[in-house]
Amino acid sequence: QKEVEQNSGPLSVPEGAIASLNCTYSDRVSQSFFWYRQYSGKSPELIMSIYSNGDKEDGRFTAQLNKASQYVSLLIRDSQPSDSATYLCAVPNYGQNFVFGPGTRLSVLP
Amino acid sequence: NAGVMQNPRHLVRRRGQEARLRCSPMKGHSHVYWYRQLPEEGLKFMVYLQKENIIDESGMPKERFSAEFPKEGPSILRIQQVVRGDSAAYFCASSETEEQYFGPGTRLTVT
Repeated sequence: QKEVEQNSGPLSVPEGAIASLNCTYSDRVSQSFFWYRQYSGKSPELIMSIYSNGDKEDGRFTAQLNKASQYVSLLIRDSQPSDSATYLCAVPNYGQNFVFGPGTRLSVLP
Repeated sequence: NAGVMQNPRHLVRRRGQEARLRCSPMKGHSHVYWYRQLPEEGLKFMVYLQKENIIDESGMPKERFSAEFPKEGPSILRIQQVVRGDSAAYFCASSETEEQYFGPGTRLTVT
């Protein structure tokens, strides 16, 4: 069983700042990585996937992957109060089911 | 709306009763996954199914829990003789490639 680690937070950032969310994983052979956002009482929503080393940008979100360090991060630029949620990192577990990290709770302060 | 559908959204059962949770995958998706999320905890994989086949049930308790995805109709997660510890949110996700898309979940409360 792979392990996925995240800081549980809460991570508090002021509105307009960059929020940086980090995730480490235990297995060097992992090839794909996913970030989900989960608002309180709601279901996870896929926001980013990344497969190659380097950066992948989508609007205000940038995913960064470093396979050698077994590290993937999510940057949120110009953070808004509506970004306040729990962010989950997910890694496929030798098949197609995911192992999820515990999530990082982000709070963007107006 | 072609998203993943789950019903019921909320389910209350007394200890010892059976709970049946249903999931219809997104149109065109043939892979279904069930996850459980206990209050203030992370998502835990339970079972992965394709049509008429259980592919991986390594996360599902051996007793009282079962899942199916018949040729016709939704996937069903069945919990027999529910106990208070089964109270949780149960999420279904579907995929055709690696990306999984989640339904709104069923919140089970056992009284």
